[in-house]
Amino acid sequence: GQQVMQIPQYQHVQEGEDFTTYCNSSTTLSNIQWYKQRPGGHPVFLIQLVKSGEVKKQKRLTFQFGEAKKNSSLHITATQTTDVGTYFCADGMNTGFQKLVFGTGTRLLVSP
Amino acid sequence: DTGVSQDPRHKITKRGQNVTFRCDPISEHNRLYWYRQTLGQGPEFLTYFQNEAQLEKSRLLSDRFSAERPKGSFSTLEIQRTEQGDSAMYLCASSSAQGEWRVNEQFFGPGTRLTVL
Repeated sequence: GQQVMQIPQYQHVQEGEDFTTYCNSSTTLSNIQWYKQRPGGHPVFLIQLVKSGEVKKQKRLTFQFGEAKKNSSLHITATQTTDVGTYFCADGMNTGFQKLVFGTGTRLLVSP
Repeated sequence: DTGVSQDPRHKITKRGQNVTFRCDPISEHNRLYWYRQTLGQGPEFLTYFQNEAQLEKSRLLSDRFSAERPKGSFSTLEIQRTEQGDSAMYLCASSSAQGEWRVNEQFFGPGTRLTVL
C-alpha cells in the first residue's frame, strides 16, 4: 500500500532558526494537506495543496507541492516557541477527501 | 463550543472487555471519520461515514471493531474483546462535502485515549 514518509523524524532548533520538513510518497499524491499537532493535542489543519508545483504561504510558513506530485515540503522561517509540535502531511485519497493517509510526522522542538 | 467532541476522553479497561466511544461532529458536517493514533505515529484511517452510510472501512478494522452513525449525526465506535494492542488514541474527525478542488479540511476531536491492561 501507499507509504508517506517524512524527514526528519525529529528536529530541535533554537528560536529564530529556520525549519523544513519533507514529505515523500511512494505513489503519486492526489492532493496534500498539512496538519499540526501540539503535544497532547489533536491534529489541526494548516493548508491544502492541489496543483503540481503549487506554493502557498501563511505568514512564516511556506508550503510546496512537487512538480511530480510525489513530494511536498513545509518551511518555517524564524521559528518561535509556539511552533513546537508535530507536523504531518497527509494525502487526500480519491476525490472529495474521503480519507487521509498521514505521513510519519516530524516533531519540532524550539528552544528559547 | 461548536467543535468536534468525543466521550470519554480516557478509558482504562481490562483485556477482554468491550468498550464504546462516542463522537459528536460539527453539526453541519455530513462526513465523519475515525482514526487511530499510537505514540509517535501519524493517525491511521479506520472508517468513514457519509451521513448514516458507512462507505469505507480499513483492513485495520477487524471484526472486533464496529462503528455506527445511526441518524447521520453522532457516531459510536465499539471494540469487543479488547486486546492490549488496541491501546491507542482514537480520533474522530468531521468535514463537509466539497468538490474535489475545494478546501476540504477535516476537523479533529480531542480523542479518546484507550488503555487496555
